[in-house]
Amino acid sequence: NAGVTQTPKFQVLKTGQSMTLQCAQDMNHNSMYWYRQDPGMGLRLIYYSASEGTTDKGEVPNGYNVSRLNKREFSLRLESAAPSQTSVYFCASSELGAGGFGYGYTFGSGTRLTVV
Amino acid sequence: DAKTTQPPSMDCAEGRAANLPCNHSTISGNEYVYWYRQIHSQGPQYIIHGLKNNETNEMASLIITEDRKSSTLILPHATLRDTAVYYCIVRVPSGYSTLTFGKGTMLLVSP
Repeated sequence: NAGVTQTPKFQVLKTGQSMTLQCAQDMNHNSMYWYRQDPGMGLRLIYYSASEGTTDKGEVPNGYNVSRLNKREFSLRLESAAPSQTSVYFCASSELGAGGFGYGYTFGSGTRLTVV
Repeated sequence: DAKTTQPPSMDCAEGRAANLPCNHSTISGNEYVYWYRQIHSQGPQYIIHGLKNNETNEMASLIITEDRKSSTLILPHATLRDTAVYYCIVRVPSGYSTLTFGKGTMLLVSP
């Protein structure tokens, strides 16, 4: 099915461990995003990539790095995980940057990360 | 972005219309109204958006008041699968920034 695929779906890390969250889209979208969602809060933008070859910080980038590997793939790396990074992480993609946030702005099903 | 106010929860009987209100009294002229929903444990899903005219698609209808200070999302024939948190977002459709969903309305559709 067309859409945004995230792996893994669940992950438990120990404090200080590193890991990479993977995201791939098959809709030929130019822009991709990483958000985190904490209980009772909205989505907060971590990093985004307006187009292949570019990445920029969002609202909460500290502790994360990203790589736009190609047009399809956008990965999020936690170099040294902390309990404060326990969250649900969503990847999204869109056709024309962030314009509209409407049709064409598609989310993945999320990665549930627990840091102990 | 303009702030939105939504009721925390609503109930609806299966097969009936669900009308979800949203107040956005500080909306500016170039801001659109967007609706998303998030079914438990899934990623947010786009539903519909509009500027000032009423809009309809295969999922829902969006009614925006003439002064644009409030809107209503209508699910014409709610099903159990429509149980979700519904978010009303008001913003200019440009730029890269946090997609602030707020707390939304938890819609429970019952048999």
